[in-house]
Amino acid sequence: DTGVSQDPRHKITKRGQNVTFRCDPISEHNRLYWYRQTLGQGPEFLTYFQNEAQLEKSRLLSDRFSAERPKGSFSTLEIQRTEQGDSAMYLCASSLEGRSNEQYFGPGTRLTVT
Amino acid sequence: AQSVAQPEDQVNVAEGNPLTVKCTYSVSGNPYLFWYVQYPNRGLQFLLKYITGDNLVKGSYGFEAEFNKSQTSFHLKKPSALVSDSALYFCAVRPYNAGNMLTFGGGTRLMVKP
Repeated sequence: DTGVSQDPRHKITKRGQNVTFRCDPISEHNRLYWYRQTLGQGPEFLTYFQNEAQLEKSRLLSDRFSAERPKGSFSTLEIQRTEQGDSAMYLCASSLEGRSNEQYFGPGTRLTVT
Repeated sequence: AQSVAQPEDQVNVAEGNPLTVKCTYSVSGNPYLFWYVQYPNRGLQFLLKYITGDNLVKGSYGFEAEFNKSQTSFHLKKPSALVSDSALYFCAVRPYNAGNMLTFGGGTRLMVKP
């Protein structure tokens, strides 16, 4: 499978715990995006990397959230001190460089904070 | 800031009938417009995009969309619906000259009945 992959697919955690998600983009794509989707809503942009550089961050990305893409390949999204409001589907996407290029999405990681 | 509106939460259509899923957008300057489909427990799948040129864009699975600049709309259409088209559809916009994130609408659930 050469699509975008995400791990884990599901994560249940207790409030206050830290969680980390991983995204592996399509191999030739140098751009990687993170979005959050809550039930009944469209995805909302969180952050974007071009190669290893984090170039855009949404105001949704609070100080408890941090994303990395250390070698310009896979990316991790960490949420510290999780809150119940963090419960959502976290989607990763990748694309080739260029604003006209479509983004290809992974299956998402569903986070439930109890 | 850009925005996308999908005025219908759900569209019901009989199999074999034509379908339309509506989308209007607001963006500064020229837009790049996209349609994605989401099946249960799966990530968003790219259907089609409008970049420039012909206002009628053809995409995957027999879907097409018509860009109307004066009405700032990008409605998704299909001449003959299939039961397997039942899914959640999202319209998204990206400004031509600012930012790399996609802004999504809230989604429209398409139900195709046999």
